Amino acid sequence: GAGVSQSPRYKVAKRGQDVALRCDPISGHVSLFWYQQALGQGPEFLTYFQNEAQLDKSGLPSDRFFAERPEGSVSTLKIQRTQQEDSAVYLCASSLERANQPQHFGDGTRLSIL
Amino acid sequence: RKEVEQDPGPFNVPEGATVAFNCTYSNSASQSFFWYRQDCRKEPKLLMSVYSSGNEDGRFTAQLNRASQYISLLIRDSKLSDSATYLCVVGFNKFYFGSGTKLNVKP
Repeated sequence: GAGVSQSPRYKVAKRGQDVALRCDPISGHVSLFWYQQALGQGPEFLTYFQNEAQLDKSGLPSDRFFAERPEGSVSTLKIQRTQQEDSAVYLCASSLERANQPQHFGDGTRLSIL
Repeated sequence: RKEVEQDPGPFNVPEGATVAFNCTYSNSASQSFFWYRQDCRKEPKLLMSVYSSGNEDGRFTAQLNRASQYISLLIRDSKLSDSATYLCVVGFNKFYFGSGTKLNVKP
């Protein structure tokens, strides 16, 4: 079956532009996570959904970051007024049920802010 | 203090060697533990879960020491294809990743 799908794979934007990153989780997976990974670092938690409910957004670095999952499947991470420090790989992961089960990752979106 | 700490390496070992990585975590209430593997410019992939009693999957053995709050990964008979970064993951409501340990297996 299909794995976690993210788009676009690469995104280049000018500082100040808004960007939207999409994640299509594995079908039937209840939990969805967004992570930010800087070069040479492990993924850092951003936010977590269970179905359409955003249960934890404690990792979002600023109010410029917003995530939604309105129908409990596809999720979008939006970054407004992008800054250079937002440049990173944004990874989406999903798991079958509870948050503590193994997560399966998408390929990520590599975001570069010029 | 970071939630999860790993030695970044790199560990440079010859083919066939046995190599072990440790990872320490700070939250004693952590409930789930995993090792993920990440190849350069790729997404993390689940290598194995780590159970309290320890578990083995082929050449890979994972151990959990709750008293000392660390988990370990042992790789026997290293292959060239084992070269990657190994991420320690500790979960308590959400996942905390270590920065990864880089392994280079040389011919």
